[in-house]
Amino acid sequence: GAGVSQSPSNKVTEKGKDVELRCDPISGHTALYWYRQRLGQGLEFLIYFQGNSAPDKSGLPSDRFSAERTGESVSTLTIQRTQQEDSAVYLCASSLDAPGSYEQYFGPGTRLTVT
Amino acid sequence: TQLLEQSPQFLSIQEGENLTVYCNSSSVFSSLQWYRQEPGEGPVLLVTVVTGGEVKKLKRLTFQFGDARKDSSLHITAAQPGDTGLYLCAGEKEQGAQKLVFGQGTRLTINP
Repeated sequence: GAGVSQSPSNKVTEKGKDVELRCDPISGHTALYWYRQRLGQGLEFLIYFQGNSAPDKSGLPSDRFSAERTGESVSTLTIQRTQQEDSAVYLCASSLDAPGSYEQYFGPGTRLTVT
Repeated sequence: TQLLEQSPQFLSIQEGENLTVYCNSSSVFSSLQWYRQEPGEGPVLLVTVVTGGEVKKLKRLTFQFGDARKDSSLHITAAQPGDTGLYLCAGEKEQGAQKLVFGQGTRLTINP
């Protein structure tokens, strides 16, 4: 079956512009995550959606960052008034919301460059 | 402050050598996962360990979860160039929470 897909794969934007990143999770996966990965670094948790529960936004670095999810499908991560320090790869992952289902399946990421 | 510390951060060795990567924390985790990430791709799960002291083997890779569930190690025997990549450990603090805390990664290069 299809894996997690993300678009665009690359995005170059000017400082101060808004950007929207999209994630299509694996069908049937109720949990969806966004992470940020700076060059050569590990993954930084941003936000987590689980079914109809309120999202866990504890990892969002500032109020310029927001995310939405439509039901149990597509999610968009929006960064307003982008700054150069926002440059990173943004990874989306999805997983089953079931006991013992530990694996997160990652998309290829969106590489964001703010100039 | 990094909740999960990986060491070394960079490792470059010759094909055929053995190596160990460590993932340490002062916190207890209900489970710990190891991922491998290649350039331009997302991480891919290698293994999940859930029981203190657990050892899992995946071909030439051996994973161990510490008895106190605060640390883990990844040992690769007879490394091959195809093992090159970024290795990430990730811990789940509460069972079923699914929100993972990632280490900063170990970038491994195996030279032919």
